[in-house]
Amino acid sequence: AQKITQTQPGMFVQEKEAVTLDCTYDTSDPSYGLFWYKQPSSGEMIFLIYQGSYDQQNATEGRYSLNFQKARKSANLVISASQLGDSAMYFCAMRGLNYGGSQGNLIFGKGTKLSVKP
Amino acid sequence: DGGITQSPKYLFRKEGQNVTLSCEQNLNHDAMYWYRQDPGQGLRLIYYSQIVNDFQKGDIAEGYSVSREKKESFPLTVTSAQKNPTAFYLCASRLDSRNLGYGYTFGSGTRLTVV
Repeated sequence: AQKITQTQPGMFVQEKEAVTLDCTYDTSDPSYGLFWYKQPSSGEMIFLIYQGSYDQQNATEGRYSLNFQKARKSANLVISASQLGDSAMYFCAMRGLNYGGSQGNLIFGKGTKLSVKP
Repeated sequence: DGGITQSPKYLFRKEGQNVTLSCEQNLNHDAMYWYRQDPGQGLRLIYYSQIVNDFQKGDIAEGYSVSREKKESFPLTVTSAQKNPTAFYLCASRLDSRNLGYGYTFGSGTRLTVV
């Protein structure tokens, strides 16, 4: 069965420091995609970054990078130079080509609440 | 600009009432989803639809109903059979593509409270 695990319910980081949010996954699909979303207190879900399973390089988007270790089935999000506005819930998600009858659906982890301290 | 519109932003329901949450998208996306989120928790899938006039139950469909009469619209009705409906509801859509890079676009959510 496909599964996403985020083991850090909450984390604190000092402003301007880097932080890593952990995500491990389990899938039998040879091809899959990994996503990170940010959810501020207002509730909307904001797409941050995507990594394909066959991508040779780790994805980067501004201050966000994805530390993709395929053999270990991990897709950790790294936020550099944390800002107060980074305080939010962060969700890791995955989709493959075949999830039974739910092809294309994303599977989400339970999330990590990040708090940035001034 | 294309996007997903959820309305209303806040909704109050009396016990025993049915209420309908609206979700409209102009992205020409094929698939649409409804999720429930309780405070400090992750997303739980209620229903999803991959084509017009067809939808499937998710993990927590009991007490909810949906329709998909138009590609753009996927309303969710919270029925009186849902015993604990107070939660944050998120609608999402996705282009039906084998390109794995296509994730979800989310609406801004509806916060439902039973009074």
